[in-house]
Amino acid sequence: EADIYQTPRYLVIGTGKKITLECSQTMGHDKMYWYQQDPGMELHLIHYSYGVNSTEKGDLSSESTVSRIRTEHFPLTLESARPSHTSQYLCASSEPGQGNNYEQYFGPGTRLTVT
Amino acid sequence: KNQVEQSPQSLIILEGKNCTLQCNYTVSPFSNLRWYKQDTGRGPVSLTIMTFSENTKSNGRYTATLDADTKQSSLHITASQLSDSASYICVVSDRGSTLGRLYFGRGTQLTVWP
Repeated sequence: EADIYQTPRYLVIGTGKKITLECSQTMGHDKMYWYQQDPGMELHLIHYSYGVNSTEKGDLSSESTVSRIRTEHFPLTLESARPSHTSQYLCASSEPGQGNNYEQYFGPGTRLTVT
Repeated sequence: KNQVEQSPQSLIILEGKNCTLQCNYTVSPFSNLRWYKQDTGRGPVSLTIMTFSENTKSNGRYTATLDADTKQSSLHITASQLSDSASYICVVSDRGSTLGRLYFGRGTQLTVWP
């Protein structure tokens, strides 16, 4: 079982609210990721980080922002939630490995519903 | 365009039976192929990772095969159990970027009935 945690697990919130999804890992991994997943669909990378003070946007355009002030913590923030943000958000981290053969560990996810 | 296609989209089998899930990909340049198991409402958990030179890898009752020439992979589940009910996701990594981009399939939803 991977030591990567996400809170809250479920969140129902009204339009226009600011929200922060928390992600933390205790494995000391430098690389961390945020994915968005709709039911029955593939995961899409929305943000990633190589390490502290490093953040990059992923393949899928997202209105969310991320920060990486500490190695173990990679929170995602939505300044003004909208119904289109309703989705499951998965955080992941990866261990160092040879080339691209690294193991990627996922958190349990946050199911966000914006009403 | 780099893509990962999985079939079938969903599958129902009886407990104790075997099944095989398929994955076709067009990702290039290829680095490795992974199979993940995702329980409902949970994050994916890695089952196997195979590189170009590996054509089979087992993890308990799960056996993955890879044909890098035809760009196909399969995941065979032996003697299925109720706990095998989940989505099985095929993921291919390229070696064309420092990040090692992962391309995800949509998954096969497996249901095991008693």
